[in-house]
Amino acid sequence: GENVEQHPSTLSVQEGDSAVIKCTYSDSASNYFPWYKQELGKRPQLIIDIRSNVGEKKDQRIAVTLNKTAKHFSLHITETQPEDSAVYFCAPGSGSARQLTFGSGTQLTVLP
Amino acid sequence: NAGVTQTPKFQVLKTGQSMTLQCAQDMNHEYMSWYRQDPGMGLRLIHYSVGAGITDQGEVPNGYNVSRSTTEDFPLRLLSAAPSQTSVYFCASSWTGEGNEQFFGPGTRLTVL
Repeated sequence: GENVEQHPSTLSVQEGDSAVIKCTYSDSASNYFPWYKQELGKRPQLIIDIRSNVGEKKDQRIAVTLNKTAKHFSLHITETQPEDSAVYFCAPGSGSARQLTFGSGTQLTVLP
Repeated sequence: NAGVTQTPKFQVLKTGQSMTLQCAQDMNHEYMSWYRQDPGMGLRLIHYSVGAGITDQGEVPNGYNVSRSTTEDFPLRLLSAAPSQTSVYFCASSWTGEGNEQFFGPGTRLTVL
């Protein structure tokens, strides 16, 4: 099965700084690379995703970059705000089976 | 649209009891799945379904059964609850095909004593 590692497990940044979270995976068949945000006591929600034929995708302050050769993809958040504080999960998936394998999560804290 | 709904929100069971967690979606999604989330961990896939009448096992299926008689509903049954099944359970749904967002329900917090 897929092995997914996410680093760091905790990350504290000052408001306005950037944050980067990295996800490595083992299955070369993975072709879908989403990032989910989960606030305390809430459900996970998709914030950005990328497919294997694209190297980078941006959505306002959030971006995802993919290196398929090295089997890793990263979440980049610029100009962080206190409301960005949450747990972020990567969840690489493959094919039409829709199976996602979640990383263990990164607790991001944005300090005012 | 209500999206993905789950009932109950909270449940306390005694060891050995059985129960069914309910999940429903009104988006006509083919794919539905159940995950469990333990403290400090990511979500682990229990069972999934790619359409009515079709189910398959995920990473941690032992102790759980599912069925998919309709597109809308995907109940999760705990046959004989154990303390190790204390967790938060999330149901999710999506269209099939590559790269389609999975929508999660609000979760059920289950405690087994």
